Amino acid sequence: EAGVVQSPRYKIIEKKQPVAFWCNPISGHNTLYWYLQNLGQGPELLIRYENEEAVDDSQLPKDRFSAERLKGVDSTLKIQPAELGDSAVYLCASSLGAGVSTDTQYFGPGTRLTVL
Amino acid sequence: QQQVKQSPQSLIVQKGGISIINCAYENTAFDYFPWYQQFPGKGPALLIAIRPDVSEKKEGRFTISFNKSAKQFSLHIMDSQPGDSATYFCAASKNYGQNFVFGPGTRLSVLP
Repeated sequence: EAGVVQSPRYKIIEKKQPVAFWCNPISGHNTLYWYLQNLGQGPELLIRYENEEAVDDSQLPKDRFSAERLKGVDSTLKIQPAELGDSAVYLCASSLGAGVSTDTQYFGPGTRLTVL
Repeated sequence: QQQVKQSPQSLIVQKGGISIINCAYENTAFDYFPWYQQFPGKGPALLIAIRPDVSEKKEGRFTISFNKSAKQFSLHIMDSQPGDSATYFCAASKNYGQNFVFGPGTRLSVLP
């Protein structure tokens, strides 16, 4: 079974440039998460989707960050414009979804963003 | 606001020894407590998890001990191996697995 796929794995951009990250969850997983992981820290939730609906985006900095999950499968996270402080690893995770007891989240390898 | 505290920040253990990582939480609404293992360049992977209706769960060399009254839980790795060298994150969530809050992580090094 294929795991969560993310691309690109690495991205280097200059500040004020836009950047986008793509995630393909595990087949059949209805819930998709985007996390931010700073160096030496645990992941922090940015947004959670149930199918195509963003059910929790309270931690997403909406002035520069946006996300979409069209058709309830793949998802894209965008930053525009990027700032130096956005340098981090962006993790995508998926799970079966609401109603599943102890729903396990499966993480992708992440995209390491460096903003110069 | 950090809702899950984790210690130690780093841990060095000899091969065959016991590794112990501790976590504490504040929100009594949390009802699911997983531990994740992360190797460099990889995403976190679920190691073992516990619900608050039990005080201990064991899977192979890995054991979670849970103290609901103290709002603390810990991971014990028995017979630690060099391949266990990784960063370990405790986490907590409400509604059995949604919206995890992760601890800051413990970097474990097991010396051969």
